[in-house]
Amino acid sequence: DIVMTQSPDSLAVSLGERATISCKSSQSVLFSNNKNYLAWYQQKPGQAPKLLIYWASTRESGVPDRFSGSGSGTDFTLTISSLQAEDVAVYYCQQYYSTHYSFGQGTKLEIK
Amino acid sequence: EVRLVESGGDLVQPGGSLRLSCAASGFTFSSYSMNWVRQAPGKGLEWIAYIGSGPTYYAGSVEGRFTISRDNGKSELYLHMSSLRADDTAVYYCAREGLGSYSEYWGQGILVTVSS
Repeated sequence: DIVMTQSPDSLAVSLGERATISCKSSQSVLFSNNKNYLAWYQQKPGQAPKLLIYWASTRESGVPDRFSGSGSGTDFTLTISSLQAEDVAVYYCQQYYSTHYSFGQGTKLEIK
Repeated sequence: EVRLVESGGDLVQPGGSLRLSCAASGFTFSSYSMNWVRQAPGKGLEWIAYIGSGPTYYAGSVEGRFTISRDNGKSELYLHMSSLRADDTAVYYCAREGLGSYSEYWGQGILVTVSS
C-alpha cells in the first residue's frame, strides 16, 4: 500500500502570512496520463472533510484562490498564500492512484 | 444539491454486527463510485472501502469483516460490519467520488461505538 506522510504535524502561522504543508508518498502517484492522483482536504472541528484540491493542483469550485497545490511524483505541497482566521483546520493529503486509497496523518494549522 | 446522509450508528458490543446506510440525493447515484472513510476519536482519516460498478476494495484493517454494497434503485450505500472490535470505534463517513477518484462530496458522518 502507498504510505502518505505529511509534515509538519502541526503548524502555527500569523494572520496574513503564508502556510506551507508538505505531503510525500512512498511511491509515485503520477499516472501515464501525466496526472498526479493526489488530493487535499480541509477538516474543521466537528465537520466533515471538504475537498480543496485534486489532481495535485486543481482547485475545487468555490475554494478561495489563496489555496494552491503543487508538486509531482512523490512530493507535494499545499500552500495558503495569506492565512485567514477561517483557515484554522486540519489538512489531509490523499492518494487515489492505487485501488487502496490512503490519507496522510494530517497537519493541524493554527493561528500564531 | 448533492446530499449524503448516514444512518445506523449505534453502541455495539465487541464481536457484534451493524449495518450503516448512506442515503444519496441530488445526483444520479448509479453513475458514481462511492467510498466509506472513518475517523477514530481524535485521530486522522482512514479510507476503508470502495464500490463502483465492478470490483469492491477494502483496507486491510476491515477486509473480511466489512462489506460495502449499494442499491442503485434506492440511491443508498451500505456498510455491513461484523466481528466488530473496540478499534472500529469511529465516525464513519460516506463520500461520493468526483470525475476522478477523489472524494468530492461527504456526508456529515455517523458515530459507531464498540464497547462492552
